[in-house]
Amino acid sequence: AQSVTQPDIHITVSEGASLELRCNYSYGATPYLFWYVQSPGQGLQLLLKYFSGDTLVQGIKGFEAEFKRSQSSFNLRKPSVHWSDAAEYFCVSNTDKLIFGTGTRLQVFP
Amino acid sequence: DGGITQSPKYLFRKEGQNVTLSCEQNLNHDAMYWYRQDPGQGLRLIYYSQIVNDFQKGDIAEGYSVSREKKESFPLTVTSAQKNPTAFYLCASSIGWNTEAFFGQGTRLTVV
Repeated sequence: AQSVTQPDIHITVSEGASLELRCNYSYGATPYLFWYVQSPGQGLQLLLKYFSGDTLVQGIKGFEAEFKRSQSSFNLRKPSVHWSDAAEYFCVSNTDKLIFGTGTRLQVFP
Repeated sequence: DGGITQSPKYLFRKEGQNVTLSCEQNLNHDAMYWYRQDPGQGLRLIYYSQIVNDFQKGDIAEGYSVSREKKESFPLTVTSAQKNPTAFYLCASSIGWNTEAFFGQGTRLTVV
């Protein structure tokens, strides 16, 4: 069965620092992968998606993610974090149904 | 504007009462989903539907029921059999498998 793992429950970074949020998937074939962001008490917004092709995908708000089949990973990155990026981030696959990772809460210090 | 509408945003009910959460989409999506979100537990799938008049149980379906009589509507009923109904409920839809999902703004249900 497919699964998505986000090993980091909580990450704290300083504003302006770089960011990498980890995501590992488990699925035999090529998965369809997404990163979503959720602000407190709100719905989820799509940051970026990977279906096939280029392994480095660009998203909104300056985020990017790299698909690495050899490592079964789809890590989210941002070169310089802004205070407004503080939120919860979910890695998701949708191969036969939506499967969520447990989420990573990002805290940004000024 | 196209999107997913969940109503109401906040809902209060007494213990032992059934309550129905509304989810409507005008995106012409075939698939719809209901998730429950509790602090520190991420999103857990309650029910999903890939097509009208058909739906499947997710990981935590006990104490919940759904219907999919129309493509645009996927209401969720939280029954009195659900032992811990207080939570944030999110509805989503997608064109089908292998596509991104769009989410409503959620309904926060509090049972007292």
